[in-house]
Amino acid sequence: DIVLTQSPGTLSLSPGERATLSCRASQSVSSNSLAWYQQNPGQAPRLLIYGASSRATGIPDRFSGSGSGTDFTLTISRLEPEDFAVYYCQQYGTSPWTFGQGTKVEIK
Amino acid sequence: QVQLVQSGAEVKKPGSSVKVSCKASGGTFSSSGFSWVRQAPGQGLEWMGGILPMFGTATYAQKFQGRVTIIADDSTSTVYMDLSSLRSEDTAIYYCAKDVERGGFDPWGQGTLVTVSS
Repeated sequence: DIVLTQSPGTLSLSPGERATLSCRASQSVSSNSLAWYQQNPGQAPRLLIYGASSRATGIPDRFSGSGSGTDFTLTISRLEPEDFAVYYCQQYGTSPWTFGQGTKVEIK
Repeated sequence: QVQLVQSGAEVKKPGSSVKVSCKASGGTFSSSGFSWVRQAPGQGLEWMGGILPMFGTATYAQKFQGRVTIIADDSTSTVYMDLSSLRSEDTAIYYCAKDVERGGFDPWGQGTLVTVSS
């Protein structure tokens, strides 16, 4: 199985700051088949990014994804209050689909 | 806009089975793929398996092979996940999600809490 390792575990930032989240795969992710999700407490995850860099419908342009092969990044250009949440990466290129362990973005 | 509505919370005894439903509305059911993902308390996300109703074939994560069954009912646009031989470690929120053709899962159901306790 492809293991996804996210770093850091927790990111403490202030509103308006830039957030950079990393997702590293144990082997190359086929066709850059990587997605990012946001999860708020008590809610289901929400798809932000698919195909490593494409924003899902309705996702603000302050969210951007990049990377290829084994190294991927989610960037939030300027944090809004509603962006403080847990973020997960997921690969869907090789079965079984797997998730990273998550990065929590908290208010500093 | 597709919406997924799941069945309610369950409390089960160790060794028993649970069946969770996920009813889809607002989209084309048969041509969409659906997956089940679970989340133990305070933990991350774990993909269990998925199904493409058009073909009726399901794929399962190795970890759950032999214990999980995913089926789809075209007549009611509902996907079911059946997990057997429950143990306390199966206590989790179980989500269904629609596979997006371009990649990823969207939308997700609201989640169903399954508690396994004697």
